Amino acid sequence: KAGVTQTPRYLIKTRGQQVTLSCSPISGHRSVSWYQQTPGQGLQFLFEYFSETQRNKGNFPGRFSGRQFSNSRSEMNVSTLELGDSALYLCASSQGLAGDTDTQYFGPGTRLTVL
Amino acid sequence: DQQVKQNSPSLSVQEGRISILNCDYTNSMFDYFLWYKKYPAEGPTFLISISSIKDKNEDGRFTVFLNKSAKHLSLHIVPSQPGDSAVYFCAASRGNYGQNFVFGPGTRLSVLP
Repeated sequence: KAGVTQTPRYLIKTRGQQVTLSCSPISGHRSVSWYQQTPGQGLQFLFEYFSETQRNKGNFPGRFSGRQFSNSRSEMNVSTLELGDSALYLCASSQGLAGDTDTQYFGPGTRLTVL
Repeated sequence: DQQVKQNSPSLSVQEGRISILNCDYTNSMFDYFLWYKKYPAEGPTFLISISSIKDKNEDGRFTVFLNKSAKHLSLHIVPSQPGDSAVYFCAASRGNYGQNFVFGPGTRLSVLP
């Protein structure tokens, strides 16, 4: 079974631009979560999508948004990029089973550099 | 305010010995905990989990201990192998529908041959 894939793997943008990152979950997984990893803050939860609906949201500004498609693929968008947005963005998928916390499988991440 | 803390940024252990990685949390509502291992340029890989109804969970060389009263958990690796060298993240959640885990900052383990 193929793992979680993220595209692109590396991205360089300038301040003020916007960026869209893509995540394809493991086949059959309906939950996709996004995380930001920085050296200073570690892994921080951005949001989770389940069946095309945002189910949970972390404490990030509205510049960070996402969506999920009917095939469970998800995109994350960051608008008006700031230098502090430079990070590794990780996507994780899981079955999203109700009433339980199932195992997340992470993708390799997209490394975003904002100049 | 960091809800999940891993106070040791790094740890070095000799091959064959025990590695003990520690994690503390502040939110008493957390009831599900996981450990992830992360190699450079790869996403985190799930290692082992424990729910608050247990105080120990074992999987091969990996054992996680949970002390709810102290809000502390630890990961024991016995025996440690050079391939275990990685960054280890502790994560906690309230075990609801969502996957909004709170991660610790990670501990870099180096297993020396």
